[in-house]
Amino acid sequence: ETGVTQSPTHLIKTRGQQVTLRCSSQSGHNTVSWYQQALGQGPQFIFQYYREEENGRGNFPPRFSGLQFPNYSSELNVNALELDDSALYLCASSSEPGIHWDEQFFGPGTRLTVL
Amino acid sequence: GQQVMQIPQYQHVQEGEDFTTYCNSSTTLSNIQWYKQRPGGHPVFLIQLVKSGEVKKQKRLTFQFGEAKKNSSLHITATQTTDVGTYFCAGTPGTYKYIFGTGTRLKVLA
Repeated sequence: ETGVTQSPTHLIKTRGQQVTLRCSSQSGHNTVSWYQQALGQGPQFIFQYYREEENGRGNFPPRFSGLQFPNYSSELNVNALELDDSALYLCASSSEPGIHWDEQFFGPGTRLTVL
Repeated sequence: GQQVMQIPQYQHVQEGEDFTTYCNSSTTLSNIQWYKQRPGGHPVFLIQLVKSGEVKKQKRLTFQFGEAKKNSSLHITATQTTDVGTYFCAGTPGTYKYIFGTGTRLKVLA
């Protein structure tokens, strides 16, 4: 059983650029959630994908978008990067979503720095 | 908006002392999860509580979910240096998203 993987590990971009982050979910999981974690803060929910459809969204602008593929891996795209987008981006996989979620397995994260 | 606050923000304890972190939500939660994040690491799932008044134990860790399902606590008995990290609660108000708490950073002095 493979765990959640994310790529790249670190990334440096400049304001206005676009970025794509990737996540491979744990074997057997069909749900992926993305979080943004600023330094010293708790993870903030961006959105969730279930079976290739967006299944819920947090308070993030439309320039944050995502995709989920048939193998349940996922991408997070951020357009028109701003300095405040600098953070650790975490993806978490879990099994079928519902009122009572199963545990989420987090990947190691991608550290994005926007200059 | 919906908020989940944790207190204290920081806690320094001597090894062997007990530690408690409290999680308070502005809205009723369907369930609550607890995670531990080591410095430089990612959150690792500890436990999930679903029922009102539920209490669960894992070795030295005791988790409680309040009767009103708006608060929760994590208590560690006789802390060890391996307990160092930030502890987050994460609750769902019934929608498909989790709201993470502000976290409590625990430092254990040997």
